[in-house]
Amino acid sequence: SAVISQKPSRDICQRGTSLTIQCQVDSQVTMMFWYRQQPGQSLTLIATANQGSEATYESGFVIDKFPISRPNLTFSTLTVSNMSPEDSSIYLCSVSTGATDTQYFGPGTRLTVL
Amino acid sequence: QKEVEQNSGPLSVPEGAIASLNCTYSDRGSQSFFWYRQYSGKSPELIMFIYSNGDKEDGRFTAQLNKASQYVSLLIRDSQPSDSATYLCAVYGGATNKLIFGTGTLLAVQP
Repeated sequence: SAVISQKPSRDICQRGTSLTIQCQVDSQVTMMFWYRQQPGQSLTLIATANQGSEATYESGFVIDKFPISRPNLTFSTLTVSNMSPEDSSIYLCSVSTGATDTQYFGPGTRLTVL
Repeated sequence: QKEVEQNSGPLSVPEGAIASLNCTYSDRGSQSFFWYRQYSGKSPELIMFIYSNGDKEDGRFTAQLNKASQYVSLLIRDSQPSDSATYLCAVYGGATNKLIFGTGTLLAVQP
């Protein structure tokens, strides 16, 4: 499976600021996804990052709050904008090679908003 | 009804026993089924996937799928304390065509 890295691994941010999370894969992948895992909860899909076009957002998530970029087949960013304490969560990048629908997860970014 | 349901646990088993983790799903058109293991503070790690009815074995792990009953399970033989983690069931396909996760079952293997 692909090796996935995320930066930063954790951060503590102030309310009203923005944080950009990077996801880097060591090989080209077809699909990249962003998930959120709130404390004690399961994973919720935020959006599918599409290479060269706008991301596809799930219900309840909007581009103004979670802008996503995917400039190539190995890299994507998720920005959490105008943060509030409710955004405190683990943000996870996942990838699929496209040969199957199997997804592999990066190590995650633990975000705390004060 | 939740799309993917799991008993939250904790499921406590003694070391060396068989741990049985269960999952039901609501979308009859679902096509692919996955089990992930998540240690506390870590990201989910894929253990197994299964597409067809029946059993699939990989080492100490066996995934079982029954599409008629909309039921998927994971058996862990010879459970070890290192197996203590949350096990997430995930289902793909059907109406949503995306990966839907259950809330996970916390497994505790007692030495």
